[in-house]
Amino acid sequence: EAEVAQSPRYKITEKSQAVAFWCDPISGHATLYWYRQILGQGPELLVQFQDESVVDDSQLPKDRFSAERLKGVDSTLKIQPAELGDSAMYLCASSPTGPQQFFGPGTRLTVL
Amino acid sequence: QKEVEQDPGPLSVPEGAIVSLNCTYSNSAFQYFMWYRQYSRKGPELLMYTYSSGNKEDGRFTAQVDKSSKYISLFIRDSQPSDSATYLCAMSVIDGAQKLVFGQGTRLTINP
Repeated sequence: EAEVAQSPRYKITEKSQAVAFWCDPISGHATLYWYRQILGQGPELLVQFQDESVVDDSQLPKDRFSAERLKGVDSTLKIQPAELGDSAMYLCASSPTGPQQFFGPGTRLTVL
Repeated sequence: QKEVEQDPGPLSVPEGAIVSLNCTYSNSAFQYFMWYRQYSRKGPELLMYTYSSGNKEDGRFTAQVDKSSKYISLFIRDSQPSDSATYLCAMSVIDGAQKLVFGQGTRLTINP
């Protein structure tokens, strides 16, 4: 069964350092999402792509976060510089046409 | 006030019990209603989704939507220890973007 792939699964970094997360969506899924999930809370959308175009990045802290999906397939989310409050699970999801979104295993980020 | 409210629990019930999980919401424009299951340190897994009001059944799981009350429920019959997880409700507006708004999640434990 096809799955969304994410790497790394875990990342520990010091504040002010740069970090990057990678996502490979399910083949054929045109829509890709990045969510942030703080412990004990539900996921919150950071950015949504339709193919290579950004559809919604209204909740992305653009002073430090960036996301790209250059060829409309895999995607990278970057944080520079990382802050203590960025510690969370970063989830990637993809979707075919319709409302269903399929999530990857996530990257758990710890900022020291 | 959050758009989607969900009691975080924790909820602990004996094996075989019927479990009821609930969410309320404030945005009457929500059209799709979903339930995700999330095991510890994993990504959310889509259990069921419904469109507009009504019931939907899948095995031991039943989802109900009452749009007039802005209230959705997930029932689990004959609960099993393997059902122990965090259950997240999520909703979306049909605006072409299918942005999901999640509840906080309810942590459920089924005791053998």
